[in-house]
Amino acid sequence: QKEVEQNSGPLSVPEGAIASLNCTYSDRGSQSFFWYRQYSGKSPELIMSIYSNGDKEDGRFTAQLNKASQYVSLLIRDSQPSDSATYLCASAGGYNFNKFYFGSGTKLNVKP
Amino acid sequence: EADIYQTPRYLVIGTGKKITLECSQTMGHDKMYWYQQDPGMELHLIHYSYGVNSTEKGDLSSESTVSRIRTEHFPLTLESARPSHTSQYLCASSASLGATEAFFGQGTRLTVV
Repeated sequence: QKEVEQNSGPLSVPEGAIASLNCTYSDRGSQSFFWYRQYSGKSPELIMSIYSNGDKEDGRFTAQLNKASQYVSLLIRDSQPSDSATYLCASAGGYNFNKFYFGSGTKLNVKP
Repeated sequence: EADIYQTPRYLVIGTGKKITLECSQTMGHDKMYWYQQDPGMELHLIHYSYGVNSTEKGDLSSESTVSRIRTEHFPLTLESARPSHTSQYLCASSASLGATEAFFGQGTRLTVV
């Protein structure tokens, strides 16, 4: 079992809709969670960090963390074609404090 | 401006050559990482370091080696490149205090012919 699991997609949404991306993690001791966006051929870019239960909003992005369910999500409101990318979920601070665990990524397609 | 730099961005090299991929960061981060990623595939951790003179192997077996003599510098070396080493190599760093986010360099795309 992978430390962080994501649906590989692709997830297709129309322009202007809400895109919902999800991941689960297995190490209950994980402290920090991150969402990265990766365009094809580029390096991952940090979008959101979340450390405590609940919602965290930044512009069109909202990250949600539920530690009891070991579940992290990312909502993208008013999706734009430029949001089309692969989104990576990551955890850190668990039993191996120095390592990050990345999911395999969910590919998002926003159709004009 | 604090950042993380990788050089070269692209490298095409012949089989059997020795290569070193450079990674430097100006953020004062203690933790640094090397990932390997093939197109459309997931990230694989190949090496990491949590401070000067500390290096650890990652989850993916790799024929590469790393060193950490200075905080800001974490080079990756392949003693004898092979076509199977063709991939994108990504360097990242993070602060040692708490489990904070990692920042990635722009990557090195390596092609071994």
